[in-house]
Amino acid sequence: NAGVTQTPKFQVLKTGQSMTLQCAQDMNHNSMYWYRQDPGMGLRLIYYSASEGTTDKGEVPNGYNVSRLNKREFSLRLESAAPSQTSVYFCASSEGGLNTEAFFGQGTRLTVV
Amino acid sequence: AQSVTQLGSHVSVSEGALVLLRCNYSSSVPPYLFWYVQYPNQGLQLLLKYTSAATLVKGINGFEAEFKKSETSFHLTKPSAHMSDAAEYFCAVRPGNTGFQKLVFGTGTRLLVSP
Repeated sequence: NAGVTQTPKFQVLKTGQSMTLQCAQDMNHNSMYWYRQDPGMGLRLIYYSASEGTTDKGEVPNGYNVSRLNKREFSLRLESAAPSQTSVYFCASSEGGLNTEAFFGQGTRLTVV
Repeated sequence: AQSVTQLGSHVSVSEGALVLLRCNYSSSVPPYLFWYVQYPNQGLQLLLKYTSAATLVKGINGFEAEFKKSETSFHLTKPSAHMSDAAEYFCAVRPGNTGFQKLVFGTGTRLLVSP
């Protein structure tokens, strides 16, 4: 039972490079999320997808794009990486109901130099 | 806007002592509340959740939390700390409204346990 799988686990980018973070869940969840975690700031929502075919901005969407490829997969793209995007990125999924918890992947540690 | 405030970025306790991690929420409607734990270099794992069935909620690893509407609080407690409890703890809120609601996290509290 894999749950939420993120790839890659670690990545170093140069300023201006682009990359896509991949996320897949095998729990048949409707909703998926991308968060970033920075020291002292908790988890901040970048983008979310309430259901297949929809995506919406969270608190900190600037510099990112997302694609809900199908019900299982939700990718996060950095078009032109900046040092301010150095962070740990978490993908999560949930059934979508108000009382349902989110299940998290193991995270991607991204460093932009 | 709905939010959560976690008082204290770090809490230090001795092994065997009471653990108390504080969480206050703001919400215009009765919320759904969650506590998560994060061990080093790992993702977040659910400890417990409040969904209005009972105000005292028991979770994994001996943790529990009490929902107090009058105080807008959902503090996390454990009677006796273990070394293995050292981790970062996050409180999160999902407003108890209709339709889809995002999960909003607090800034986290790092629990340090000394022998």
